[in-house]
Amino acid sequence: DAKTTQPPSMDCAEGRAANLPCNHSTISGNEYVYWYRQIHSQGPQYIIHGLKNNETNEMASLIITEDRKSSTLILPHATLRDTAVYYCIVRVRQSNFGNEKLTFGTGTRLTIIP
Amino acid sequence: NAGVTQTPKFQVLKTGQSMTLQCAQDMNHNSMYWYRQDPGMGLRLIYYSASEGTTDKGEVPNGYNVSRLNKREFSLRLESAAPSQTSVYFCASSGYRLGVTDTQYFGPGTRLTVL
Repeated sequence: DAKTTQPPSMDCAEGRAANLPCNHSTISGNEYVYWYRQIHSQGPQYIIHGLKNNETNEMASLIITEDRKSSTLILPHATLRDTAVYYCIVRVRQSNFGNEKLTFGTGTRLTIIP
Repeated sequence: NAGVTQTPKFQVLKTGQSMTLQCAQDMNHNSMYWYRQDPGMGLRLIYYSASEGTTDKGEVPNGYNVSRLNKREFSLRLESAAPSQTSVYFCASSGYRLGVTDTQYFGPGTRLTVL
């Protein structure tokens, strides 16, 4: 699986959009970009994933550059409850009886400031 | 629908003691995983089970054994606990959607201290 690079920490004002960058310059054509977050040592929580098109769900938006070497997770209206460590992971989605091993780095610690 | 549950939530052991961490999921998922997370670190995969009856080693399997008891349950055993195994242990599961493995769902974790 490709390696990712994220800033160790970021701050964002409450109510503003939080933009979390991730560099994955060695990503392969069949690797997806996944985002998880971990709030205060709870179990990681899935946020969103994508292959090459931009994706949006009820939690966030994922913008992937055309060359797929980087991506940005956007939390449109950050709240205090969004304070967490955010992990960007790239991996192949296995078919049939494969498995989804996730390789976690150290992520970005996002602090939402009142 | 409880998702992924883990027991116990906290445990303190003495060096050399043994214990089993329990994990269960009610989402009818085929794959299950055990990770550990040390302070300030990301999660590391210990063992996984791609389907009932199969288990495989992950990144850090030494000192652990696992059992996939049935489709719902996946246990992690420490035969002789060591201080280096002090960590938070997370269980996760994933199913299939449209022929590929779906996203992974995590339990709340077990905080283990080995003295």
